[in-house]
Amino acid sequence: AQTVTQSQPEMSVQEAETVTLSCTYDTSENNYYLFWYKQPPSRQMILVIRQEAYKQQNATENRFSVNFQKAAKSFSLKISDSQLGDTAMYFCAFSFNQGGKLIFGQGTELSVKP
Amino acid sequence: GAGVSQSPSNKVTEKGKDVELRCDPISGHTALYWYRQSLGQGLEFLIYFQGNSAPDKSGLPSDRFSAERTGGSVSTLTIQRTQQEDSAVYLCASSPRGRFTDTQYFGPGTRLTVL
Repeated sequence: AQTVTQSQPEMSVQEAETVTLSCTYDTSENNYYLFWYKQPPSRQMILVIRQEAYKQQNATENRFSVNFQKAAKSFSLKISDSQLGDTAMYFCAFSFNQGGKLIFGQGTELSVKP
Repeated sequence: GAGVSQSPSNKVTEKGKDVELRCDPISGHTALYWYRQSLGQGLEFLIYFQGNSAPDKSGLPSDRFSAERTGGSVSTLTIQRTQQEDSAVYLCASSPRGRFTDTQYFGPGTRLTVL
């Protein structure tokens, strides 16, 4: 079975500080993609960052970066210079070669405090 | 260009009634997905359409749930004889080719409340 686990239901960080959200997953697949999505109160799910399992280099998108440890099946998200607009629910997800349906973790609710 | 749109934004219904939820994917996207987001179950896959292929219905929770996609574009998710446990946010997403390498683009969801 394919599963995704986010062990931190809630986190908070001060504005301008750095925070890391954890994600582990379990799969027997060799080729898959990993994603972090952000869901603000508006409910719109927005892609934050994505990582191909075959690439060793960690993906980065501006203030967002990942620490991908394939052997440990770990895919954490680091947010640098946190901004108030980063306040949202963050979901870790992965897809594999079965139509690309996403399997999501339970989410981490991040609050950025001024 | 326009993103994924869903209607209605909110729907309140009485137990036992049927409801229809609509999704308009991004133009040109061949794949369309429905997910359900509920407090108890988190985000779960429901059904997936890709072009003219038979849909993957493996995530539908019961035979009260069905979906269709007309003309390879708009999709309707139908829930018959709604139950209180059907209360959730129903999210639709589309992707260019339905490959696992594609990014899925989500709509704003429909919040369904069954009284």
